[in-house]
Order: sequence, then structure tokens, then C-alpha cells
Amino acid sequence: DIVMTQTPLSSPVTLGQPASISCRSSQSLVHSDGNTYLSWLQQRPGQPPRLLIYKISNRFSGVPDRFSGSGAGTDFTLKISRVEPEDVGVYYCTQATQFPWTFGQGTKVEIK
Amino acid sequence: QVQLQQWGAGLLKPWETLSLTCAVYGGSFSGYYWSWIRQPPEKGLEWIGEINDSGGTKYNPSLKSRVTISVDTSKNQFSLKLSSVTAADTAVYYCARGPRRYDSSNYYGAFDIWGQGTMVTVSS
Repeated sequence: DIVMTQTPLSSPVTLGQPASISCRSSQSLVHSDGNTYLSWLQQRPGQPPRLLIYKISNRFSGVPDRFSGSGAGTDFTLKISRVEPEDVGVYYCTQATQFPWTFGQGTKVEIK
Repeated sequence: QVQLQQWGAGLLKPWETLSLTCAVYGGSFSGYYWSWIRQPPEKGLEWIGEINDSGGTKYNPSLKSRVTISVDTSKNQFSLKLSSVTAADTAVYYCARGPRRYDSSNYYGAFDIWGQGTMVTVSS
């Protein structure tokens, strides 16, 4: 299985300041079709996860542009340019390049 | 707007079979793969398995011996059965669309729509 490792596990952030989450995979996530199926999910307290970013850097419909994704191969980053109160929650990276699909352990973003 | 609505028994005894169903509303059922994912209390996400509209399935090897996912295309529904449950199977279970789909021109490779989740507790 591809292991997804996120850092940090917890990220206290001041409102209006940036936040950054890293995700590293145990193997390259480049698929044989040339795409990299790395996505980011946001889970607000008491809610199901919600798709933010797919294929490394593509924002899903309705996602604010303060969220951005980058990276390649095995190293990926989710950035929030200015944290808003509604950004509090747990963020997961996930891969859909190789079965079984796997998730990172999650990074909790909270307000200082 | 596509929505997933799920339901099923929330309290089971050890060795019983978990059974959940997810219905797809407001969009096409065909052309997509549909997954089950679970989240133990205060823990992360685990993919259980997926099914397409033709009934083709893939399961997580860690659960494969106990999992069956089925589809009823006449009702736009898919279902999960997990046999011989134990306390370790206590979790919120989610249905989700993806990550695969047939349309390569619009292929996210991600779980883009999620159900509301069903808390399943296994206790004697």
C-alpha cells in the first residue's frame, strides 16, 4: 500500500495568516496515464469530508482561491493564503494512483 | 446537484453483519465508480471498496474477506455489507463518488461527492 504521511499533525494559526500542510507518499503518485492523482479533503467538525483540490493543484468547484496545491512525484503541499474562521478542521491528502486508495493521517488546523 | 443519502443500522452486536445503503439523487449513476469509506472515532479515513454501474468491484485487501459491495442500478443505489463485525469496526461510514469515472476528459481522480455519514457502533 502507498503510505501517505502528513506534517504537521496540528497547525495553530492566527486568523488572516497563512497555513501550509505537507504530504509525502511512500511511492511516486505519477500514474501510467501521466497524471498524478493526489487530492486534498477538508473535514470541518461534525461534517463529512469535502473535496478541495484534485490532481495536485486543481481547485474543485466552489473552493475559495485562498486554497492552493502544489508538488510533484512524492511531495505535495496544501497552502491556505489567509486562514478564515471557517477553515478550522482536519485536512487529508489522498491518493488514487494505486490500489488500495489511501489517505494521510490528517492535519488539524485550529485558530490560535 | 448530485447528492448521496445513506442509511442503515447504527448498533450491532459482535459477529453480526453491517449493512448500509447509499442512494444517488440529482445526477447520473452510470459512468462513475462509487466507494465506501470509514472513519473510526477520532481517527483518519480508510477506503473500504468501490463498485461501478456494471457491478465491477475492488476491495481493500485489509477487509476483502468480509466485504461485499453491490449495486441496484434501477434505484441508483449501492450497498455495503461487512460480516463478522467486532468493536474495531465501530466507525462513521461514508459513501462517496469516485475516485474513478469513465469520462477521461473530466477525470478528477478524487472523491468529489460524499454522503452525510452513518455512525455504526459494535457493542455487546
